Amino acid sequence: EAGVAQSPRYKIIEKRQSVAFWCNPISGHATLYWYQQILGQGPKLLIQFQNNGVVDDSQLPKDRFSAERLKGVDSTLKIQPAKLEDSAVYLCASSRRTGGTSGYTFGSGTRLTVV
Amino acid sequence: AQSVAQPEDQVNVAEGNPLTVKCTYSVSGNPYLFWYVQYPNRGLQFLLKYITGDNLVKGSYGFEAEFNKSQTSFHLKKPSALVSDSALYFCAVSLDTGGFKTIFGAGTRLFVKA
Repeated sequence: EAGVAQSPRYKIIEKRQSVAFWCNPISGHATLYWYQQILGQGPKLLIQFQNNGVVDDSQLPKDRFSAERLKGVDSTLKIQPAKLEDSAVYLCASSRRTGGTSGYTFGSGTRLTVV
Repeated sequence: AQSVAQPEDQVNVAEGNPLTVKCTYSVSGNPYLFWYVQYPNRGLQFLLKYITGDNLVKGSYGFEAEFNKSQTSFHLKKPSALVSDSALYFCAVSLDTGGFKTIFGAGTRLFVKA
């Protein structure tokens, strides 16, 4: 089966600019996750979707981050305006169920550098 | 608070020797435990999981992990390391919070020397 697709692979922006990342999960996977991985740290969950509904966005900085999953398939994560501390790899993952027992399939990530 | 700890930033081992990457957790209830591996410029790849049953679970690439409930540990092991095993390894625990939430450790870099 095809993997989780993410684009772009790399992005460099200036602080206060906006940026968007796109993710297409594995076909049939109902649950989609966005993680932020800062260099030297483990991934941190930003938001979890079940189909097109939000299950958990408790760690999403909602004043600047937004995400949507229209039609319950692909998803977009946006940052506006970006700060220097947003420099990280943004990972998208999907699972057939809620991931409690099945584990996730991750995309290759988008490396964001804010200068 | 729920947490996952990987006490070693880096593990160095010679090729052919056994390796262990340590993980301990602190959660309420019964956790679901996972190991993932990350190669340079790649996303995380699922290695293995413990849900219930036999405390020794086997996964991809010859890796296995032992769940120890009394020590709240889930150490990753391999009997004979390969240079190609050099990568970043993450331990993770999944919690049922009404919708499963997975918490990752900070990661351990494994370096296997030829």
